[in-house]
Amino acid sequence: GEDVEQSLFLSVREGDSSVINCTYTDSSSTYLYWYKQEPGAGLQLLTYIFSNMDMKQDQRLTVLLNKKDKHLSLRIADTQTGDSAIYFCAESIDTGKLIFGQGTTLQVKP
Amino acid sequence: DAGVIQSPRHEVTEMGQEVTLRCKPISGHDYLFWYRQTMMRGLELLIYFNNNVPIDDSGMPEDRFSAKMPNASFSTLKIQPSEPRDSAVYFCASSAGLAGIISYNEQFFGPGTRLTVL
Repeated sequence: GEDVEQSLFLSVREGDSSVINCTYTDSSSTYLYWYKQEPGAGLQLLTYIFSNMDMKQDQRLTVLLNKKDKHLSLRIADTQTGDSAIYFCAESIDTGKLIFGQGTTLQVKP
Repeated sequence: DAGVIQSPRHEVTEMGQEVTLRCKPISGHDYLFWYRQTMMRGLELLIYFNNNVPIDDSGMPEDRFSAKMPNASFSTLKIQPSEPRDSAVYFCASSAGLAGIISYNEQFFGPGTRLTVL
């Protein structure tokens, strides 16, 4: 079945880059997503990438996609304390459902 | 638009009681999703609706759970009778179209209802 795996925790210092990694299983996924969840709130779409792209950059965010290895990463440049949150990787499967990973808690130390 | 609205934000109940969670999706969105988030199982899709019709309820854990969408602006998720293992955060989300079909189709999440069953 479909599965999305992420590491559970990442700690960085303010100003450093953060890299959050994800692997997925469904090679037919058309879009892959990064959602962000702040404490006490719902998930919010951070960015997404179409499966025929290998990179997407949006200000401090860079998404890299390796379709061969089914590996997705999110790089946050110049990480700030406000970036502290849980980051979820998700893939869209052919039914239109989203399959989410367990989420990576990013802790940013001042 | 106010976004997806859920109520109540917190619910504490005793085992065996009926619990009803409510959701108002974003106006104009034709898909509505109910998710459950726990530490052990992460984020699970319970059921989703298209134009008020349930399309896929394969994630509903058991018959104690039921969901309805009587009109385009309101949905309920009911648990009867509730059990301690139902304790979780329940999210409602809505979207205009399905994720990855034609377009990326963002899902917009509500703030969630934290349910505690004692």
